[in-house]
Amino acid sequence: ILNVEQSPQSLHVQEGDSTNFTCSFPSSNFYALHWYRWETAKSPEALFVMTLNGDEKKKGRISATLNTKEGYSYLYIKGSQPEDSATYLCAFHSSNTGKLIFGQGTTLQVKP
Amino acid sequence: NAGVTQTPKFQVLKTGQSMTLQCAQDMNHEYMSWYRQDPGMGLRLIHYSVGAGITDQGEVPNGYNVSRSTTEDFPLRLLSAAPSQTSVYFCASSQPAPRDSPLHFGNGTRLTVT
Repeated sequence: ILNVEQSPQSLHVQEGDSTNFTCSFPSSNFYALHWYRWETAKSPEALFVMTLNGDEKKKGRISATLNTKEGYSYLYIKGSQPEDSATYLCAFHSSNTGKLIFGQGTTLQVKP
Repeated sequence: NAGVTQTPKFQVLKTGQSMTLQCAQDMNHEYMSWYRQDPGMGLRLIHYSVGAGITDQGEVPNGYNVSRSTTEDFPLRLLSAAPSQTSVYFCASSQPAPRDSPLHFGNGTRLTVT
């Protein structure tokens, strides 16, 4: 069983705060780690696909880091805005299966 | 460019009925998958396919069948619906297998089984 854990489960911040969440995954058989943004009543949209230990990716105010040896990834949002309110999902792709397994998500609420 | 199209958007079934959730993509993606989303459970993988003629089970395959006769289509069949299958179902695809490419999701099918 592939265990993908995200923390915290939910987060409330004020507009302008910076925040970060964690995704933990198995440190063996690593193939790829995905991050998605999921707004209410919409479909998940991809943020990053990360494949190499030490990878850092950035998209506007959102960035992510990857540590495959210890099995974690961080997602950072700098200067949160109300439109950043969404659920952020990570997904782990093991090298010995074709499965992309999702964590339970971190729900972010940004108050104006 | 339609992307990933799921039909229907909503469906109500009675226990024991059967139905097929349709998923089609026009991006020539080899990899397709079905997820279900339940409160507090995130997205759970039901079945996936790495190409036409090839399917495999995900985390929660029981009660569901799939086939992949063409690259474009990946239908999900419920043979005898149960209330536990009440959920929102998402189809997703990528090219190639999702090591370097993100998943593209359909808009979801909300299924209620009474």
